[in-house]
Amino acid sequence: ETGVTQSPTHLIKTRGQQVTLRCSSQSGHNTVSWYQQALGQGPQFIFQYYREEENGRGNFPPRFSGLQFPNYSSELNVNALELDDSALYLCASSLQGFNTEAFFGQGTRLTVV
Amino acid sequence: DQQVKQNSPSLSVQEGRISILNCDYTNSMFDYFLWYKKYPAEGPTFLISISSIKDKNEDGRFTVFLNKSAKHLSLHIVPSQPGDSAVYFCAARGQTGANNLFFGTGTRLTVIP
Repeated sequence: ETGVTQSPTHLIKTRGQQVTLRCSSQSGHNTVSWYQQALGQGPQFIFQYYREEENGRGNFPPRFSGLQFPNYSSELNVNALELDDSALYLCASSLQGFNTEAFFGQGTRLTVV
Repeated sequence: DQQVKQNSPSLSVQEGRISILNCDYTNSMFDYFLWYKKYPAEGPTFLISISSIKDKNEDGRFTVFLNKSAKHLSLHIVPSQPGDSAVYFCAARGQTGANNLFFGTGTRLTVIP
C-alpha cells in the first residue's frame, strides 16, 4: 500500500508566475483535498476533489484551481502568485464517506519572492 | 474566523507523566473530531478520532475526550515519551460529507527525558 506523495518538495517562484503542484493519493482512496499551511498556522482547506469533480471549496480565490485524474491523482494550480501564497501546501487523500480519516503527504514548500 | 482553537501554543512535560492537549470549537455542526501529529518536514499523521456521539475514545496511550456541551475536546497521552515530541493539531469536520477539515493552530509538545 503506497502512501500519499507530493511533488516537488520545495519550490521557489517569482510573484506573478504560475505554479502546479502534484499529488498521488493513497491506494484505494478516491478523494483528494488540498490545504495551505502558513507559518505558525494550522492547515486551511482549499478545495476537495471526488471522482474528478470539485466537491467543496474553502475561502480561496479562483486563481487557486485544481484537477483530479481518473487514477485519483491531483494537481493544484495557482495563477498570478502573490507573496502571501508562500506556504506549505498539503495534499490529503481519503475514502469518500463519513468518519474516514484523511492521510496527508509530506507537503510542498512554496516560496514566492 | 477560527472555528477550531488551540489556545496553548506549547507544552512541556516530563517523560512518563501525562500530557493533556486542549482544543475548543465554536461550530455546533461539527460531528467528527481528529487529532494529528506533525514532525518537522513531514505531513500531519493521523493519531486518533472521535465521533460526536461519543465522549471518549481510547487507543493505547492516547485518549480523546469530547465535551459537546462545552464544545471542548482534549487529548491525553499517558505515559508521555520523548518520541511524542511534535506539533499536535486538533481538527473538526462538518456534516456536509465533503470531509474537509477545520484545523486549530497547533500545540507544540516537548517531552523532556
